[in-house]
Amino acid sequence: DQQVKQNSPSLSVQEGRISILNCDYTNSMFDYFLWYKKYPAEGPTFLISISSIKDKNEDGRFTVFLNKSAKHLSLHIVPSQPGDSAVYFCAASGSSNTGKLIFGQGTTLQVKP
Amino acid sequence: GAGVSQSPSNKVTEKGKDVELRCDPISGHTALYWYRQRLGQGLEFLIYFQGNSAPDKSGLPSDRFSAERTGESVSTLTIQRTQQEDSAVYLCASSGAFFGYTFGSGTRLTVV
Repeated sequence: DQQVKQNSPSLSVQEGRISILNCDYTNSMFDYFLWYKKYPAEGPTFLISISSIKDKNEDGRFTVFLNKSAKHLSLHIVPSQPGDSAVYFCAASGSSNTGKLIFGQGTTLQVKP
Repeated sequence: GAGVSQSPSNKVTEKGKDVELRCDPISGHTALYWYRQRLGQGLEFLIYFQGNSAPDKSGLPSDRFSAERTGESVSTLTIQRTQQEDSAVYLCASSGAFFGYTFGSGTRLTVV
């Protein structure tokens, strides 16, 4: 049972345009959501997060939107840069304090110069 | 250390052999997690250690998998009688704050 789903395995955008990565979840108990970025042969690195009490969080070129009623979140990158090319994972956690994250399958983003 | 260190970075083993993977967390991080990523799939939770509490082993796929952690230091993940479906990148992360994960670079395990 995949509780966090990233239905697009890959996305290709032109440099300077907007990249939109999507993520859906099924567990309504999830209350904290994160995006991680992963380059080949490296571990994932934290990018941005959002609590369920918010619907938007922005950090520079990165913005995460949360739609709780639709159980959907998205990551917007604008403007996209070639260095943003990586695998992006969304992750979610429930209302326990374990810190255990449930990850999606990942979306490979390619930003073309 | 400065980051989470995992060893070996690559391991090729024959089916049926045991393997041991090591994770050195960031000093002072109380929480330690093991995940794995099989080809084309997402990160799959395996096990979680928090201080001296009993570990959360709910993600271990079979009794061939086990993990230990001594206090708040090194952790080892052991896979006994390896199978081809165990081939994956095994990732360790540590955290000193809620959700403040820092991942290692992983161990790529190939079972032939």
